[in-house]
Amino acid sequence: AQSVAQPEDQVNVAEGNPLTVKCTYSVSGNPYLFWYVQYPNRGLQFLLKYITGDNLVKGSYGFEAEFNKSQTSFHLKKPSALVSDSALYFCAVRDMRGAGSYQLTFGKGTKLSVIP
Amino acid sequence: EADIYQTPRYLVIGTGKKITLECSQTMGHDKMYWYQQDPGMELHLIHYSYGVNSTEKGDLSSESTVSRIRTEHFPLTLESARPSHTSQYLCASSEWTRLGSYNEQFFGPGTRLTVL
Repeated sequence: AQSVAQPEDQVNVAEGNPLTVKCTYSVSGNPYLFWYVQYPNRGLQFLLKYITGDNLVKGSYGFEAEFNKSQTSFHLKKPSALVSDSALYFCAVRDMRGAGSYQLTFGKGTKLSVIP
Repeated sequence: EADIYQTPRYLVIGTGKKITLECSQTMGHDKMYWYQQDPGMELHLIHYSYGVNSTEKGDLSSESTVSRIRTEHFPLTLESARPSHTSQYLCASSEWTRLGSYNEQFFGPGTRLTVL
């Protein structure tokens, strides 16, 4: 079975400091990995994805993520946090079950709070 | 901003009422999904569709039903609403490329349902 773990329910960081939101995964084949952000009372917004290629993926709003196959991790990072980055962040992996499956398995989410 | 729409955004309704949550997308995506999410919590897939006249149940058992008569439209219906159905419902869509690459899911803004 495929799974995603976000080990931290909440991450607090001071404005201007670098931030990291952690994600580890388990899949049977090659992983397709995604990060989404959710602001209060909104749907999820796509940030970035890893399909293949460079291990460092750059996405929206200055976010990037590093794919590490040996550690089965896909941590989200940003060099300098903004108060407006405060939101709920979800890591997701493509579910490889069955031929042609296109389902995503989501982590439980990590609440990021950037303190002014 | 993705072109996927959900109506209503908020719905408060009494027990036993029949409701339909609307979801439409203008991107021509063949795959559509319904997720249930309690506030600030993880997403659970309840229904998905790979195309017209295709519907499948997701991982989380749900008393709701869906239909996919048109590519752009994927409504969710509850025949008899109960307080246990109180939650946020998110609709999403995605496409599959000819190269076999997996594209991200685009999410609507969600419908927050309260059943009294």
